[in-house]
Amino acid sequence: DAGVTQSPTHLIKTRGQHVTLRCSPISGHKSVSWYQQVLGQGPQFIFQYYEKEERGRGNFPDRFSARQFPNYSSELNVNALLLGDSALYLCASSAPGLNTGELFFGEGSRLTVL
Amino acid sequence: SQQGEEDPQALSIQEGENATMNCSYKTSINNLQWYRQNSGRGLVHLILIRSNEREKHSGRLRVTLDTSKKSSSLLITASRAADTASYFCATVADRGSTLGRLYFGRGTQLTVWP
Repeated sequence: DAGVTQSPTHLIKTRGQHVTLRCSPISGHKSVSWYQQVLGQGPQFIFQYYEKEERGRGNFPDRFSARQFPNYSSELNVNALLLGDSALYLCASSAPGLNTGELFFGEGSRLTVL
Repeated sequence: SQQGEEDPQALSIQEGENATMNCSYKTSINNLQWYRQNSGRGLVHLILIRSNEREKHSGRLRVTLDTSKKSSSLLITASRAADTASYFCATVADRGSTLGRLYFGRGTQLTVWP
């Protein structure tokens, strides 16, 4: 079975631009979470979606938004990019029915803002 | 902050030696998990220990949890060069949280020399 897939893997943007990152969860997983990992730090929680509804939001500005589609894939949108948005953006899916809390991560989308 | 904090930040050992990493956290938890990350790629789940468990084994991994001290340790026995990676502990709060929300520390960079 395919794991969590993310696209694009790398992208370069300039300040003020907008970016859309995409994620497909493992088949059967209905929960998708997004994390930001700045170089040298641990991942920081941005959003969680379950059954197409937002179930949690981390301490990020309103420039960050996300949504989940009927097929459980998800998009993360970031507007008005800042230099500090440069990071690895990780998507993770989980199977809440198993109640384990274990997350399955994709390989990430590395965003560079110039 | 609920973030876990790993200690040491960096660890360098020879193949065959054991590697021990520690994690401290601040609030009550439902479970604590350890993840591995190779060179800024996606995170891989290693092991999960619940708040009512004190020790858990998985292959060459041994995890302990002391909820009275709010600390955990990860022991990798008979280390191999392929174990070279960053290791993160992540906590799930025991109330008011969703399954997708993990609080990560900054990680321990483990280097295993052949």
